[in-house]
Amino acid sequence: DTEVTQTPKHLVMGMTNKKSLKCEQHMGHRAMYWYKQKAKKPPELMFVYSYEKLSINESVPSRFSPECPNSSLLNLHLHALQPEDSALYLCASSPQGANSPLHFGNGTRLTVT
Amino acid sequence: GENVEQHPSTLSVQEGDSAVIKCTYSDSASNYFPWYKQELGKRPQLIIDIRSNVGEKKDQRIAVTLNKTAKHFSLHITETQPEDSAVYFCAATLNYGQNFVFGPGTRLSVLP
Repeated sequence: DTEVTQTPKHLVMGMTNKKSLKCEQHMGHRAMYWYKQKAKKPPELMFVYSYEKLSINESVPSRFSPECPNSSLLNLHLHALQPEDSALYLCASSPQGANSPLHFGNGTRLTVT
Repeated sequence: GENVEQHPSTLSVQEGDSAVIKCTYSDSASNYFPWYKQELGKRPQLIIDIRSNVGEKKDQRIAVTLNKTAKHFSLHITETQPEDSAVYFCAATLNYGQNFVFGPGTRLSVLP
């Protein structure tokens, strides 16, 4: 069982579509993250929210738009993606930022056609 | 910025043998070092972590050692089992704890 829930598990979208990835945690963690992971590579940080405010944006293209509606929810809005954006998108949370353990969700496997 | 190197990239051991994975980091301000295990098609899961004020930590068959002077830390798995087969990532904190940087990973295969 994972304490960080991500939906959907799989997503196939065309380059002109708009879709959203969702992430939820009820552990009271104050930091939430979006990572992108390509095959045989480590997770690559995209965004960090700390206390519901965007604290880090790792120069991610604007076709990826994060949103943190409240302390338990994190969304990633997708628009006009490219085939090279196909990857596993992992959400994670931690109690107090990166000096505490990351809890990952099971991820959304995204395919852009 | 922080750079984390990890060796070896692949490791095969016989069941029951020990496995050691080594990481080095560059940022002397890093103070938290977790290790994650990722099985095929699954999420990374924390298996052990260590903070800079500790030199060694053990949890059953898994141990981590940290040498802050040399800026390296290692994962030790004893009595390996087939279910230990996975990719292992080390990580170190960056930006005074705002973020992690992950090592490139080690694919461990435990042969029965």
